[in-house]
Amino acid sequence: GENVEQHPSTLSVQEGDSAVIKCTYSDSASNYFPWYKQELGKRPQLIIDIRSNVGEKKDQRIAVTLNKTAKHFSLHITETQPEDSAVYFCAASRGEMNAGGTSYGKLTFGQGTILTVHP
Amino acid sequence: NAGVTQTPKFQVLKTGQSMTLQCAQDMNHEYMSWYRQDPGMGLRLIHYSVGAGITDQGEVPNGYNVSRSTTEDFPLRLLSAAPSQTSVYFCATAPGTYYQPQHFGDGTRLSIL
Repeated sequence: GENVEQHPSTLSVQEGDSAVIKCTYSDSASNYFPWYKQELGKRPQLIIDIRSNVGEKKDQRIAVTLNKTAKHFSLHITETQPEDSAVYFCAASRGEMNAGGTSYGKLTFGQGTILTVHP
Repeated sequence: NAGVTQTPKFQVLKTGQSMTLQCAQDMNHEYMSWYRQDPGMGLRLIHYSVGAGITDQGEVPNGYNVSRSTTEDFPLRLLSAAPSQTSVYFCATAPGTYYQPQHFGDGTRLSIL
């Protein structure tokens, strides 16, 4: 099955600095890579995702890059703010379809990165 | 539109007891899944369902049962609770088309004594 490794496990930055979190995956058939942010005691929430036919995607201060050949993808947060402090998870999945025609993807998550942004 | 609703939010059990964690969604999503979250291990898939009457095992299914009799509900049953099942459990749903993000419930914090 798929295996996703995430680094670093903790990341501490000063407000205004950039933060980069990296993930590697093992299944070359994986083609969807979402990133989730989880604040303390809350649910994981999607912040950005990328498909395998795209190399980079941006949304304001966050961006994700994907290198299919090397099987790794990264989350970049620029101009970090204290409210960016949270646990970030990467995930990977491959598309599947059941006999009834329902398409889905089982997510395999990385271990998480605790990001702390100091004011 | 409540999204994904999980009950209870907190539960303490004794070893050997059984219980059911509830997950309900009002988004008509085909795909529903259960994860457990443990420190340093991310979220691990327990069971999933791609529609009413269809369930399958994930990465860590032992000790858990599921059923899906309706599109809306996907309960998770602990058959005989063990301390190793102390965790935070999340239910997540997604439409029956690929590349759609999964939506998570607020979670159930479960402690087994």
